[in-house]
Amino acid sequence: DAGITQSPRHKVTETGTPVTLRCHQTENHRYMYWYRQDPGHGLRLIHYSYGVKDTDKGEVSDGYSVSRSKTEDFLLTLESATSSQTSVYFCAISPTGGAGNQPQHFGDGTRLSIL
Amino acid sequence: KQEVTQIPAALSVPEGENLVLNCSFTDSAIYNLQWFRQDPGKGLTSLLLIQSSQREQTSGRLNASLDKSSGRSTLYIAASQPGDSATYLCAVPSGGGSQGNLIFGKGTKLSVKP
Repeated sequence: DAGITQSPRHKVTETGTPVTLRCHQTENHRYMYWYRQDPGHGLRLIHYSYGVKDTDKGEVSDGYSVSRSKTEDFLLTLESATSSQTSVYFCAISPTGGAGNQPQHFGDGTRLSIL
Repeated sequence: KQEVTQIPAALSVPEGENLVLNCSFTDSAIYNLQWFRQDPGKGLTSLLLIQSSQREQTSGRLNASLDKSSGRSTLYIAASQPGDSATYLCAVPSGGGSQGNLIFGKGTKLSVKP
């Protein structure tokens, strides 16, 4: 299995609090992604990174920020959590990006509940 | 804008049956297509990746085909087993694709009855 660790695995917090989710990889892959998975919407991209300090927005980026100071770590921050951000969050990694021949690998997810 | 559709949303079959899962996409200019499996409460496991220059990929009892011109892919599962019960997702890189973010279908939930 690809070496991807997401932490925490579960979190319950209150509206208005800041939350940071961590994705750690041991594969030295260039590309890292944050997705959220919701019933009826499937998986949607929040933000992605194509190198250290290189990030860009995805389809549902409002209310989220990311940082990547090291190849192995990609952080997702909810500055002020809202109930609409209750979801399951997945981190993914890829060595080659979308045009390559290597599959994208996913972590086990973080289940986030905002009350 | 690329859209990915999977039909049916759910499928129930008896053990031992061969089955086909369908995936369609609106923009045929894709670099590749990937099939995943997701077990309840778990992450996604990559099953097969088919590059745009390929028509098929096989792994064990799984065979995935790709027809870019018609915007379709199928995942064939031979001799299904209860352990195959899961949600199967297909995904393609978004338009402009080099950054690799994937556009997913909503999945087909497969149940294989003993």
